[in-house]
Amino acid sequence: EAGVAQSPRYKIIEKRQSVAFWCNPISGHATLYWYQQILGQGPKLLIQFQNNGVVDDSQLPKDRFSAERLKGVDSTLKIQPAKLEDSAVYLCASRDRGKNTEAFFGQGTRLTVV
Amino acid sequence: AQTVTQSQPEMSVQEAETVTLSCTYDTSESNYYLFWYKQPPSRQMILVIRQEAYKQQNATENRFSVNFQKAAKSFSLKISDSQLGDTAMYFCAFMKRQGGSEKLVFGKGTKLTVNP
Repeated sequence: EAGVAQSPRYKIIEKRQSVAFWCNPISGHATLYWYQQILGQGPKLLIQFQNNGVVDDSQLPKDRFSAERLKGVDSTLKIQPAKLEDSAVYLCASRDRGKNTEAFFGQGTRLTVV
Repeated sequence: AQTVTQSQPEMSVQEAETVTLSCTYDTSESNYYLFWYKQPPSRQMILVIRQEAYKQQNATENRFSVNFQKAAKSFSLKISDSQLGDTAMYFCAFMKRQGGSEKLVFGKGTKLTVNP
């Protein structure tokens, strides 16, 4: 079974620029999460999708962050414009709602804003 | 809102010895799941062990076991016969079991170092 794929692995941008991250979840997984993990901290949930609908985006800074999940499969997370404090690892995870409760994670994208 | 607290930012243990990582959580729910995830330097989160709140028996997975105290809202992880490959960040996580909107909440993590 292929795992959760994320790209790019690393990204360096200047503040006020825009950036996008891509996530391809495990096939058939209805639930998709995006987390922000600042160095030395635990992952913070940004947004959760169930198929292509948003079920929780309460911690997403909507003035600069946006996310979509096309046709309930792939997802993109965008930041525009980026701030220095957005430097973090962005993790994508997916979970099969009906089967078990384990969430599977991708390797993350490390974003550095300079 | 559910919160997860890991009070040990860093721990170390000698190879082959046993170590216990602590986790407490706060919830008003009665039906939920608890997890321990491992995050090595490669960054990929890997599930170590899970516990269903309605099960009284503590979960075990080879060298990993938990001490689940529901009344005390405590969920500690015991690693026996520690190996160098166990060096990683360990995150305790909580998930409420409810329909399709299960939110997975993490603690701040414990950095474990296994010394040779």
